Amino acid sequence: GEDVEQSLFLSVREGDSSVINCTYTDSSSTYLYWYKQEPGAGLQLLTYIFSNMDMKQDQRLTVLLNKKDKHLSLRIADTQTGDSAIYFCAESKAGRRALTFGSGTRLQVQP
Amino acid sequence: DVKVTQSSRYLVKRTGEKVFLECVQDMDHENMFWYRQDPGLGLRLIYFSYDVKMKEKGDIPEGYSVSREKKERFSLILESASTNQTSMYLCASSLPGAETQYFGPGTRLLVL
Repeated sequence: GEDVEQSLFLSVREGDSSVINCTYTDSSSTYLYWYKQEPGAGLQLLTYIFSNMDMKQDQRLTVLLNKKDKHLSLRIADTQTGDSAIYFCAESKAGRRALTFGSGTRLQVQP
Repeated sequence: DVKVTQSSRYLVKRTGEKVFLECVQDMDHENMFWYRQDPGLGLRLIYFSYDVKMKEKGDIPEGYSVSREKKERFSLILESASTNQTSMYLCASSLPGAETQYFGPGTRLLVL
């Protein structure tokens, strides 16, 4: 199976919370990342969490990490139309310089 | 702020042409990466370089080569472009030992 898995699509209404989920398989992951890609653009680093943490909050963003289940989530509070984008989960592994990315979740925010 | 730039946003080439994609970063990063992005597949690593003239194959290097003659510049070369290389190409850079990567805006390549 894939190293990092995400659902492909999520639709929410403006003002609601969005939760984007990700599962990974490598227990040796050191950091886990969330990147955002707006239409026609490159990837922008949103936030990351070190593998010995279980939660990180940054303004409207909350990252939760469950190491036992190898599950990572990104919660966006008060979702806005400007949050519409593709969100990629990625992991770094010991001994590998590059990141391993999921397939991306397209978030659609409806007015 | 780290800035990673790519020479073209859009390129249209014909099958069999030699194609050069250029990437430049201004933060003196040792590591540079080339990924391709395809719908439903996420980003897949083509090649990366950890120093000038040093390179390693990624997960999908077939049909590609790279060049790193200067620290700030990392080029991706398609020796003979094929239609299955139509894709979005993303360059990234990072410091050694730092997993956080910074991405350029991408080059959307169409091979006819």
